[in-house]
Amino acid sequence: SQTIHQWPATLVQPVGSPLSLECTVEGTSNPNLYWYRQAAGRGLQLLFYSVGIGQISSEVPQNLSASRPQDRQFILSSKKLLLSDSGFYLCAWSVGRPYGYTFGSGTRLTVV
Amino acid sequence: SQKIEQNSEALNIQEGKTATLTCNYTNYSPAYLQWYRQDPGRGPVFLLLIRENEKEKRKERLKVTFDTTLKQSLFHITASQPADSATYLCALDGGNTGFQKLVFGTGTRLLVSP
Repeated sequence: SQTIHQWPATLVQPVGSPLSLECTVEGTSNPNLYWYRQAAGRGLQLLFYSVGIGQISSEVPQNLSASRPQDRQFILSSKKLLLSDSGFYLCAWSVGRPYGYTFGSGTRLTVV
Repeated sequence: SQKIEQNSEALNIQEGKTATLTCNYTNYSPAYLQWYRQDPGRGPVFLLLIRENEKEKRKERLKVTFDTTLKQSLFHITASQPADSATYLCALDGGNTGFQKLVFGTGTRLLVSP
């Protein structure tokens, strides 16, 4: 069966520090991969998506970047965190239409 | 601009009643609409998908309607239970691009009391 792993679950980082969040998917090949951010009281904002290894599309210009070094691995990074980067980060995968997304358990990032 | 609206106020109902949540959208022509459940501190969980040419979809105690003329979807939970308490998100897939990208509403919190 397909599973998605996302870690860490919580993270407290100082302003200006780097960030690396990792997401891996098991049990499927060539999934569509997504990074979303959910700020408190707000909806999910699509940050990046990927259709294949090394193929990354950015939805919102920001302080973050993403990479897909392997078929089932998706990494969200930042060189220098800002306070505004705080939020709940969610990784998701899909096989495409007409199916739904499967989300990871999320990472709660607090930048202090 | 494109907008998805869900009632930001929590919906409080009594156990056994039917809960009805609303999703309205503007400046959008979605080919698919999806509903998700999100519990506090967890990722959303996919519940149902309905296509633009479908009026209604059912799954156990869940029912979704999709009215592309009104630009609205209704999500019903019949015989609601306290375990149904959660935030429910609607999500639109434009369908006019080659890639599936969902845009989510902010969600409506449902509270079912015993």
